[in-house]
Amino acid sequence: DAGVIQSPRHEVTEMGQEVTLRCKPISGHNSLFWYRQTMMRGLELLIYFNNNVPIDDSGMPEDRFSAKMPNASFSTLKIQPSEPRDSAVYFCASGGRHEQYFGPGTRLTVT
Amino acid sequence: KNQVEQSPQSLIILEGKNCTLQCNYTVSPFSNLRWYKQDTGRGPVSLTIMTFSENTKSNGRYTATLDADTKQSSLHITASQLSDSASYICVVSTGYNQGGKLIFGQGTELSVKP
Repeated sequence: DAGVIQSPRHEVTEMGQEVTLRCKPISGHNSLFWYRQTMMRGLELLIYFNNNVPIDDSGMPEDRFSAKMPNASFSTLKIQPSEPRDSAVYFCASGGRHEQYFGPGTRLTVT
Repeated sequence: KNQVEQSPQSLIILEGKNCTLQCNYTVSPFSNLRWYKQDTGRGPVSLTIMTFSENTKSNGRYTATLDADTKQSSLHITASQLSDSASYICVVSTGYNQGGKLIFGQGTELSVKP
């Protein structure tokens, strides 16, 4: 298994632009998680899905952030409009009952 | 308030030495506690996961302990190697039946020097 796949690995964009991050979870996992990691705040859970349904989005910072999971093999995290404070590494993880496997992350820089 | 606190914030040791990282938590309800290793530029990788009834678990040179009464956990690394240089993150799950809401510590940055 290739593990959790994220794209792009790096994204540089200008303030105000729309950014879409993509994730392909490990086949057979029924939970998918989006995290953000910064030096100041560490790892933060943004949202998680179970069986493609959003269960808890209390970590989503504001309305500029949205996440979708149209099927079991794909999820997106969208930021519109992006701001410099959104610069971070965004991780996607998938898992079953007791374990989560993280993807390599997308490093987002908003200038 | 659910919190996970790790100490020390950073640690430098010589190759071959042992070290112990600490994690204190105030999370309720408690489901499990996990230790992750995160190499620079990579995603976290799970080392151990312990439920309420487990008080020790090993993964090679890594041994985690859990005291559910005092709400403390430690990660002991034996005979450290240069490749152990990484951030070690303690994560406590509040528990739900499909993965658990996770509360993350800020991590301990370990540097192993030759």
